Amino acid sequence: ETGVTQSPTHLIKTRGQQVTLRCSSQSGHNTVSWYQQALGQGPQFIFQYYREEENGRGNFPPRFSGLQFPNYSSELNVNALELDDSALYLCASSLDGQVSMNTEAFFGQGTRLTVV
Amino acid sequence: GQNIDQPTEMTATEGAIVQINCTYQTSGFNGLFWYQQHAGEAPTFLSYNVLDGLEEKGRFSSFLSRSKGYSYLLLKELQMKDSASYLCAVRKTQAGTALIFGKGTTLSVSS
Repeated sequence: ETGVTQSPTHLIKTRGQQVTLRCSSQSGHNTVSWYQQALGQGPQFIFQYYREEENGRGNFPPRFSGLQFPNYSSELNVNALELDDSALYLCASSLDGQVSMNTEAFFGQGTRLTVV
Repeated sequence: GQNIDQPTEMTATEGAIVQINCTYQTSGFNGLFWYQQHAGEAPTFLSYNVLDGLEEKGRFSSFLSRSKGYSYLLLKELQMKDSASYLCAVRKTQAGTALIFGKGTTLSVSS
């Protein structure tokens, strides 16, 4: 177990709806990254939060947004859901201070989102 | 752009040695990670290389050549439980520990 917990574990939504996914990072970690993993693919980087500020973003549209709270937990929000948003959403937490550090990222179990 | 390539599938038998290759072309480089992912589970960290050379960790070793944009993961004394997807990932320098993943290599170990 990594100490990173995500909720819910599974979710079914209808196209056009909005969804919020949650992640509690490992104790002491100040950075949270979100990834989307389609079936048979590697995880794709969505964005990262460091000390409550967005600290990098992948190639995802603005309808993917996020938050990080003072306790370093995080939310991923997706508006106007599309069928292609169906995927496993992974949260990873790490302790970052300097980019050069070997800061291993610990992944949560993921939320399986199905859009119908 | 960012491009990470690894074979889609590999098969091997128990007790054997298997090498999973990864080539990468990225605009920046600040380390290469290997993760193991069993079906339906989260990726788990296996190894990290930032300097050229071999890092050994029990049955698993990882090699990096930055000049060639190449890494491999070596698994020795294969066990059935090693059947999983193996993900190669490069850390982007511009965004902390954000990782660019390859599509993963599905390894099937048979008896």
